[in-house]
Amino acid sequence: KNEVEQSPQNLTAQEGEFITINCSYSVGISALHWLQQHPGGGIVSLFMLSSGKKKHGRLIATINIQEKHSSLHITASHPRDSAVYICAKGTGNQFYFGTGTSLTVIP
Amino acid sequence: EPEVTQTPSHQVTQMGQEVILRCVPISNHLYFYWYRQILGQKVEFLVSFYNNEISEKSEIFDDQFSVERPDGSNFTLKIRSTKLEDSAMYFCASSEALGQETQYFGPGTRLLVL
Repeated sequence: KNEVEQSPQNLTAQEGEFITINCSYSVGISALHWLQQHPGGGIVSLFMLSSGKKKHGRLIATINIQEKHSSLHITASHPRDSAVYICAKGTGNQFYFGTGTSLTVIP
Repeated sequence: EPEVTQTPSHQVTQMGQEVILRCVPISNHLYFYWYRQILGQKVEFLVSFYNNEISEKSEIFDDQFSVERPDGSNFTLKIRSTKLEDSAMYFCASSEALGQETQYFGPGTRLLVL
Protein backbone atom coordinates (compact mmCIF):
# COMPACT_ATOMS: atom_id res chain seq x y z
CA LYS A 1 0.00 0.00 0.00
CA ASN A 2 1.32 3.46 -0.83
CA GLU A 3 1.16 5.02 2.61
CA VAL A 4 2.99 8.20 3.50
CA GLU A 5 3.16 8.99 7.18
CA GLN A 6 4.30 12.28 8.64
CA SER A 7 5.16 13.28 12.17
CA PRO A 8 4.41 15.32 14.05
CA GLN A 9 0.98 16.42 12.83
CA ASN A 10 1.30 19.75 14.58
CA LEU A 11 4.38 21.57 15.77
CA THR A 12 4.81 24.84 17.63
CA ALA A 13 8.30 26.31 17.96
CA GLN A 14 9.92 29.44 19.25
CA GLU A 15 11.65 31.63 16.73
CA GLY A 16 15.22 30.47 16.26
CA GLU A 17 14.60 26.84 17.10
CA PHE A 18 15.83 23.96 14.94
CA ILE A 19 12.89 22.03 13.54
CA THR A 20 12.64 18.49 12.20
CA ILE A 21 9.68 17.02 10.38
CA ASN A 22 9.70 13.32 9.58
CA CYS A 23 8.23 11.31 6.73
CA SER A 24 8.03 7.55 6.33
CA TYR A 25 6.70 5.64 3.38
CA SER A 26 5.75 2.03 2.92
CA VAL A 27 6.98 1.00 -0.51
CA GLY A 28 9.66 2.07 -2.95
CA ILE A 29 9.79 5.41 -4.63
CA SER A 30 11.08 7.19 -7.70
CA ALA A 31 11.41 10.45 -5.78
CA LEU A 32 10.35 12.07 -2.54
CA HIS A 33 8.97 15.60 -2.56
CA TRP A 34 8.73 18.14 0.21
CA LEU A 35 6.11 20.83 -0.31
CA GLN A 36 5.07 23.89 1.63
CA GLN A 37 1.43 24.94 1.76
CA HIS A 38 0.83 28.51 2.84
CA PRO A 39 -2.13 29.53 5.00
CA GLY A 40 -3.84 30.86 1.87
CA GLY A 41 -3.63 27.41 0.29
CA GLY A 42 -0.86 27.91 -2.27
CA ILE A 43 1.64 25.08 -2.65
CA VAL A 44 5.35 25.51 -3.26
CA SER A 45 7.75 22.71 -4.03
CA LEU A 46 10.73 22.80 -1.67
CA PHE A 47 12.74 19.72 -2.57
CA MET A 48 12.69 16.68 -4.79
CA LEU A 49 14.99 13.92 -3.55
CA SER A 50 15.90 10.48 -4.72
CA SER A 51 18.93 10.02 -2.48
CA GLY A 52 21.18 11.77 0.02
CA LYS A 53 20.67 15.32 1.11
CA LYS A 54 19.73 18.69 -0.33
CA LYS A 55 20.07 22.15 1.16
CA HIS A 56 18.39 25.40 0.22
CA GLY A 57 18.97 28.35 2.50
CA ARG A 58 17.81 27.36 5.98
CA LEU A 59 16.09 24.22 4.74
CA ILE A 60 17.71 20.80 4.59
CA ALA A 61 16.10 17.62 3.34
CA THR A 62 17.51 14.14 3.76
CA ILE A 63 16.39 10.74 2.64
CA ASN A 64 17.35 7.22 3.65
CA ILE A 65 16.17 4.89 0.91
CA GLN A 66 16.90 1.71 2.87
CA GLU A 67 14.87 2.87 5.85
CA LYS A 68 12.18 4.50 3.67
CA HIS A 69 12.45 7.68 5.67
CA SER A 70 12.99 11.34 4.94
CA SER A 71 13.39 14.38 7.15
CA LEU A 72 12.96 18.08 6.58
CA HIS A 73 14.99 20.35 8.82
CA ILE A 74 14.57 24.08 9.30
CA THR A 75 17.43 25.92 10.97
CA ALA A 76 16.96 29.24 12.77
CA SER A 77 13.19 29.06 12.35
CA HIS A 78 11.25 32.24 11.73
CA PRO A 79 7.56 33.12 11.99
CA ARG A 80 7.37 33.32 8.19
CA ASP A 81 8.17 29.57 8.14
CA SER A 82 4.71 28.96 9.60
CA ALA A 83 2.92 26.76 7.09
CA VAL A 84 1.89 23.17 6.45
CA TYR A 85 4.77 21.02 5.25
CA ILE A 86 3.78 18.08 3.10
CA CYS A 87 5.76 15.01 2.16
CA ALA A 88 4.79 13.29 -1.08
CA LYS A 89 6.25 10.25 -2.74
CA GLY A 90 6.41 9.70 -6.45
CA THR A 91 6.11 6.25 -7.94
CA GLY A 92 6.27 6.41 -11.70
CA ASN A 93 3.95 9.29 -12.47
CA GLN A 94 1.67 8.67 -9.50
CA PHE A 95 2.00 10.70 -6.33
CA TYR A 96 0.95 9.92 -2.79
CA PHE A 97 0.76 12.62 -0.17
CA GLY A 98 1.12 12.71 3.57
CA THR A 99 -1.40 14.56 5.68
CA GLY A 100 1.05 17.36 6.36
CA THR A 101 2.70 18.86 9.41
CA SER A 102 1.29 22.17 10.55
CA LEU A 103 4.15 24.34 11.82
CA THR A 104 3.66 27.50 13.84
CA VAL A 105 6.72 29.53 14.74
CA ILE A 106 6.13 32.00 17.54
CA PRO A 107 8.16 35.21 17.72
CA GLU B 1 9.64 34.25 -13.04
CA PRO B 2 7.39 31.87 -14.99
CA GLU B 3 4.42 30.55 -13.06
CA VAL B 4 1.47 28.24 -13.44
CA THR B 5 -1.83 30.08 -13.59
CA GLN B 6 -5.33 28.77 -12.97
CA THR B 7 -8.78 30.13 -13.71
CA PRO B 8 -11.18 30.72 -12.18
CA SER B 9 -9.89 31.19 -8.65
CA HIS B 10 -13.34 30.30 -7.29
CA GLN B 11 -16.25 28.47 -8.88
CA VAL B 12 -19.67 27.79 -7.45
CA THR B 13 -21.89 25.34 -9.30
CA GLN B 14 -25.07 23.39 -8.84
CA MET B 15 -24.94 19.65 -8.34
CA GLY B 16 -25.22 17.88 -11.66
CA GLN B 17 -23.65 20.68 -13.67
CA GLU B 18 -20.43 20.37 -15.64
CA VAL B 19 -17.42 22.50 -14.78
CA ILE B 20 -14.18 23.13 -16.61
CA LEU B 21 -11.15 24.20 -14.65
CA ARG B 22 -8.39 25.83 -16.62
CA CYS B 23 -4.66 25.88 -16.17
CA VAL B 24 -1.81 27.45 -18.09
CA PRO B 25 1.37 25.51 -17.31
CA ILE B 26 4.85 26.94 -17.59
CA SER B 27 5.57 27.20 -21.29
CA ASN B 28 8.54 24.83 -21.66
CA HIS B 29 7.14 22.18 -19.32
CA LEU B 30 6.01 18.87 -20.74
CA TYR B 31 4.34 17.09 -17.81
CA PHE B 32 1.07 18.32 -16.36
CA TYR B 33 -0.85 17.27 -13.29
CA TRP B 34 -4.13 17.79 -11.52
CA TYR B 35 -4.56 17.37 -7.77
CA ARG B 36 -7.42 18.02 -5.42
CA GLN B 37 -7.61 18.85 -1.74
CA ILE B 38 -10.88 18.49 0.06
CA LEU B 39 -11.12 20.99 2.90
CA GLY B 40 -9.16 19.78 5.90
CA GLN B 41 -7.82 16.73 4.10
CA LYS B 42 -4.60 15.82 2.36
CA VAL B 43 -3.72 16.58 -1.22
CA GLU B 44 -4.73 13.79 -3.60
CA PHE B 45 -3.28 13.01 -7.00
CA LEU B 46 -5.81 12.88 -9.81
CA VAL B 47 -3.96 12.56 -13.10
CA SER B 48 -0.71 13.19 -14.94
CA PHE B 49 -0.54 14.06 -18.62
CA TYR B 50 2.27 13.90 -21.11
CA ASN B 51 2.49 14.05 -24.87
CA ASN B 52 -1.23 14.70 -25.22
CA GLU B 53 -2.32 11.67 -23.29
CA ILE B 54 -2.91 10.54 -19.75
CA SER B 55 0.26 9.13 -18.23
CA GLU B 56 -1.14 7.98 -14.89
CA LYS B 57 -4.42 8.39 -13.09
CA SER B 58 -5.63 7.62 -9.61
CA GLU B 59 -8.71 5.71 -8.54
CA ILE B 60 -10.44 9.03 -7.97
CA PHE B 61 -10.13 9.93 -11.66
CA ASP B 62 -13.12 8.01 -12.94
CA ASP B 63 -15.33 8.57 -15.98
CA GLN B 64 -16.68 11.74 -14.42
CA PHE B 65 -13.34 13.41 -15.04
CA SER B 66 -11.48 14.21 -18.21
CA VAL B 67 -8.43 16.26 -19.12
CA GLU B 68 -7.49 17.98 -22.31
CA ARG B 69 -4.82 20.18 -23.78
CA PRO B 70 -6.97 21.96 -26.34
CA ASP B 71 -4.19 24.21 -27.60
CA GLY B 72 -0.51 24.84 -26.97
CA SER B 73 -1.00 26.60 -23.68
CA ASN B 74 -4.13 25.50 -21.79
CA PHE B 75 -4.60 22.33 -19.78
CA THR B 76 -8.15 21.70 -18.61
CA LEU B 77 -9.92 19.46 -16.13
CA LYS B 78 -13.56 18.78 -16.88
CA ILE B 79 -15.86 17.42 -14.20
CA ARG B 80 -19.15 16.13 -15.56
CA SER B 81 -22.28 15.97 -13.45
CA THR B 82 -20.70 17.42 -10.34
CA LYS B 83 -21.48 15.98 -6.93
CA LEU B 84 -21.39 17.60 -3.52
CA GLU B 85 -18.26 15.64 -2.69
CA ASP B 86 -16.42 17.21 -5.62
CA SER B 87 -16.19 20.40 -3.58
CA ALA B 88 -12.47 20.93 -3.09
CA MET B 89 -9.46 22.97 -4.06
CA TYR B 90 -8.09 21.80 -7.39
CA PHE B 91 -4.43 22.39 -8.11
CA CYS B 92 -2.71 22.18 -11.44
CA ALA B 93 1.04 21.61 -11.64
CA SER B 94 3.66 21.24 -14.34
CA SER B 95 7.21 19.98 -14.56
CA GLU B 96 9.99 19.74 -17.10
CA ALA B 97 10.94 16.69 -19.11
CA LEU B 98 10.77 13.90 -16.54
CA GLY B 99 7.78 13.09 -14.39
CA GLN B 100 9.77 13.16 -11.18
CA GLU B 101 11.27 16.61 -11.66
CA THR B 102 10.29 19.48 -9.39
CA GLN B 103 6.68 20.43 -9.90
CA TYR B 104 5.40 23.97 -10.01
CA PHE B 105 1.92 24.44 -8.64
CA GLY B 106 -0.76 26.86 -9.65
CA PRO B 107 -2.67 28.84 -7.01
CA GLY B 108 -5.65 26.51 -7.19
CA THR B 109 -9.34 26.76 -8.05
CA ARG B 110 -11.74 26.46 -5.16
CA LEU B 111 -14.81 24.57 -6.36
CA LEU B 112 -18.00 24.58 -4.36
CA VAL B 113 -20.83 22.31 -5.45
CA LEU B 114 -24.22 23.18 -4.00
